[in-house]
Amino acid sequence: QSALTQPPSVSGSPGQSVTISCTGTSSDVGSYNRVSWYQQPPGTAPKLMIYEVSNRPSGVPDRFSGSKSGNTASLTISGLQAEDEADYYCSSYTSSSTFEVFGGGTKLTVL
Amino acid sequence: QLQLQESGPGLVKPSETLSLTCTVSGGSISSSSYYWGWIRQPPGKGLEWIGSIYYSGSTYYNPSLKSRVTISVDTSKNQFSLKLSSVTAADTAVYYCASLYGDTKGGAFDIWGQGTMVTVSS
Repeated sequence: QSALTQPPSVSGSPGQSVTISCTGTSSDVGSYNRVSWYQQPPGTAPKLMIYEVSNRPSGVPDRFSGSKSGNTASLTISGLQAEDEADYYCSSYTSSSTFEVFGGGTKLTVL
Repeated sequence: QLQLQESGPGLVKPSETLSLTCTVSGGSISSSSYYWGWIRQPPGKGLEWIGSIYYSGSTYYNPSLKSRVTISVDTSKNQFSLKLSSVTAADTAVYYCASLYGDTKGGAFDIWGQGTMVTVSS
């Protein structure tokens, strides 16, 4: 089971926007709208930020948005804030293993 | 508000079986809207899905761990459990339990336990 592919790191200054990509295959991201994004500050459990590609759970700021094109999903964070500094993980349903697969994670640094 | 809490030994000897339990509070483990899952994170590394279970007992396992993993559910105690056999140092990780809002086509892990560190060492 191969993990989804994410860039190891991204960075941006406060107020700017950053986008984190998550590349899969036609067995996962490309064929199912079951892509989720999680935020994990150091030493804490992951927190769901986006589900079903572009939906935000209650309480998640609208600065966080998700999208998908082909086999690649994306998380965009606009109006970067210092508190957004964390690791971000994508996940997707995968038909190749009948359930879930995670991306390798992306470290977001707010400069 | 749904809450999940992992429990179990923090130290397991190589070749033995790792056993963890996740207690669900604030809701029923028999909810038709939820699956229940285990995810682990080795120190300094990313998340790895281990497996998921429905209250009826249907299970889904990561193919890379399938031969060593058993996930079970006890609806009377509102708990689900993980057993990982023949552990090695590579199984050292923080183990999380989580609720998965979805169906047989996956979903989103919306509520997570705080995680429990398990070290494999003699």
